[in-house]
Amino acid sequence: GAVVSQHPSWVICKSGTSVKIECRSLDFQATTMFWYRQFPKQSLMLMATSNEGSKATYEQGVEKDKFLINHASLTLSTLTVTSAHPEDSSFYICSARNPTGTEAFFGQGTRLTVV
Amino acid sequence: DAKTTQPPSMDCAEGRAANLPCNHSTISGNEYVYWYRQIHSQGPQYIIHGLKNNETNEMASLIITEDRKSSTLILPHATLRDTAVYYCIVRALNDYKLSFGAGTTVTVRA
Repeated sequence: GAVVSQHPSWVICKSGTSVKIECRSLDFQATTMFWYRQFPKQSLMLMATSNEGSKATYEQGVEKDKFLINHASLTLSTLTVTSAHPEDSSFYICSARNPTGTEAFFGQGTRLTVV
Repeated sequence: DAKTTQPPSMDCAEGRAANLPCNHSTISGNEYVYWYRQIHSQGPQYIIHGLKNNETNEMASLIITEDRKSSTLILPHATLRDTAVYYCIVRALNDYKLSFGAGTTVTVRA
């Protein structure tokens, strides 16, 4: 199946700093990618839809100025958590639409811990 | 809100079949039933999907009732590596914004 890769797999940062998470589609071009957040013992919650060459679409309640999304190429979307705080600590997961099929493929996730 | 209802947890013996139920009584005519699973601290993994016919692949079988209001995912010979949270999701083919419910935590025991 198609491969979606996230980097880094885990990151620890200090409160107030910014962290960038990359999501790459390795063997296909993805015009649309999706970012999810998962808190411990909870399910995945969609944060935003990342569109290549245009602005991201954010779900209700997600601050677009805090979670900056850039989809500058057909194989890369980035999520930047700005001015991170401990409550932003979570598991962040991206997915990409397989253009030749109907499945969505997921990255392995990034564990963010803000101290 | 998720459109599906699943039992919160299920135990299964290694080597036996695991049958995971899912209710989706409000499914629309153009919506498919998709199953994903999430092994601890990993991203979700696609398993199988179907519209109204039963489907089988190398990972599992999907049985959908004739009225399409419920379905069952069957793992034919569960292994310890099948321990995961299993999510049943209904979606249209062109809708990739997935709405995850709580899923079923499946624990395979030796």
